[in-house]
Amino acid sequence: AQTVTQSQPEMSVQEAETVTLSCTYDTSESNYYLFWYKQPPSRQMILVIRQEAYKQQNATENRFSVNFQKAAKSFSLKISDSQLGDTAMYFCAFAHTGKLIFGQGTTLQVKP
Amino acid sequence: DTGVSQDPRHKITKRGQNVTFRCDPISEHNRLYWYRQTLGQGPEFLTYFQNEAQLEKSRLLSDRFSAERPKGSFSTLEIQRTEQGDSAMYLCASSQGASVGSGNTIYFGEGSWLTVV
Repeated sequence: AQTVTQSQPEMSVQEAETVTLSCTYDTSESNYYLFWYKQPPSRQMILVIRQEAYKQQNATENRFSVNFQKAAKSFSLKISDSQLGDTAMYFCAFAHTGKLIFGQGTTLQVKP
Repeated sequence: DTGVSQDPRHKITKRGQNVTFRCDPISEHNRLYWYRQTLGQGPEFLTYFQNEAQLEKSRLLSDRFSAERPKGSFSTLEIQRTEQGDSAMYLCASSQGASVGSGNTIYFGEGSWLTVV
């Protein structure tokens, strides 16, 4: 069975600085997708970034980038130039077929 | 594109009562998912539909839970004989295409909060 682990329950960062959120996963599959979702206090889950396992190039979306290490089964999210609006819970998720499997989440607080 | 819509947003019910939640997916999305989320935790998969067919059900979905998507459009999630442990947010999501494993984006609704007293 696939599992996703986020070992940092809470993190904080100063506005304009960079922060990295960690995620590890376990699977025996060779091709799959990995996602980072953001859930602000309003509670609606929003896709931040996704990575296809067979692509070696790390995905980037504006201030958000990932460090995908397939052999290590690691998928971290880097947020550059942190903004107050980045304050939210962040979930790492795995998909092979059918559904997303989520980690426990990391609460990120951006401080002014 | 009006997004995934869920109703009601909040529901308080007495233990033992039945509750029903409705989800309207994004138009023409053929996949619809239900997740459950408790405070401070990640969403847990409950079930999903491809059009009107229910393709997978989690072990979390006990026989008190039933989900339907009769015409392949909106879906309902019913909880019978509610228990305090059912208190959670019930998230609905939808996607277009064959499988999220193909990279299709899942779009989430704002969720339906259930409190069982």
